[in-house]
Amino acid sequence: QKEVEQNSGPLSVPEGAIASLNCTYSDRGSQSFFWYRQYSGKSPELIMSIYSNGDKEDGRFTAQLNKASQYVSLLIRDSQPSDSATYLCAASNSGGGADGLTFGKGTHLIIQP
Amino acid sequence: DAGITQSPRHKVTETGTPVTLRCHQTENHRYMYWYRQDPGHGLRLIHYSYGVKDTDKGEVSDGYSVSRSKTEDFLLTLESATSSQTSVYFCAIGQGQDYGYTFGSGTRLTVV
Repeated sequence: QKEVEQNSGPLSVPEGAIASLNCTYSDRGSQSFFWYRQYSGKSPELIMSIYSNGDKEDGRFTAQLNKASQYVSLLIRDSQPSDSATYLCAASNSGGGADGLTFGKGTHLIIQP
Repeated sequence: DAGITQSPRHKVTETGTPVTLRCHQTENHRYMYWYRQDPGHGLRLIHYSYGVKDTDKGEVSDGYSVSRSKTEDFLLTLESATSSQTSVYFCAIGQGQDYGYTFGSGTRLTVV
């Protein structure tokens, strides 16, 4: 059973601070990893992808991957109230099958003004 | 969402009736997926398609069937709706698992 684990939160962070979101995955063959943001009542929106060990930066967002530890993280710098949402971590399934991605249950992030 | 639409957006139906949800894409993506999202369970894969007439089951496929007769359309049918199928249903499209997915706006289904 492939699993992606996330702390459900809520994670409360003051405005302007760095928000740190983490997930672990069980499928050691996973090659691609994604972070989605989901506002309440809306659909998930892809915000970051990462494929190699290390950091990947895109604006205020940095994704980090450590395949040896099977660990993925997302840092949000200068957090804004508009960043308040649920963040879903997803990992590709090994074997190259079409069944695609396994999603975590999400971390609820609250940015306090 | 651009390139992918779901219909209807909301539906209330009675237990025991069949229900069909539609997903339509204009991106010409090969892969299409149906997920359901419930509190405490996250996104769970119901069925997926990797081409016209090529479909397969996901982890929660019991009570659901799908059809894909055209690249752009992927239909999800609840054979005989039950209250446990009350959920938010999302369609997603993609070019392959290494590219991530784009999700539709979702269908909120209530079975009474």
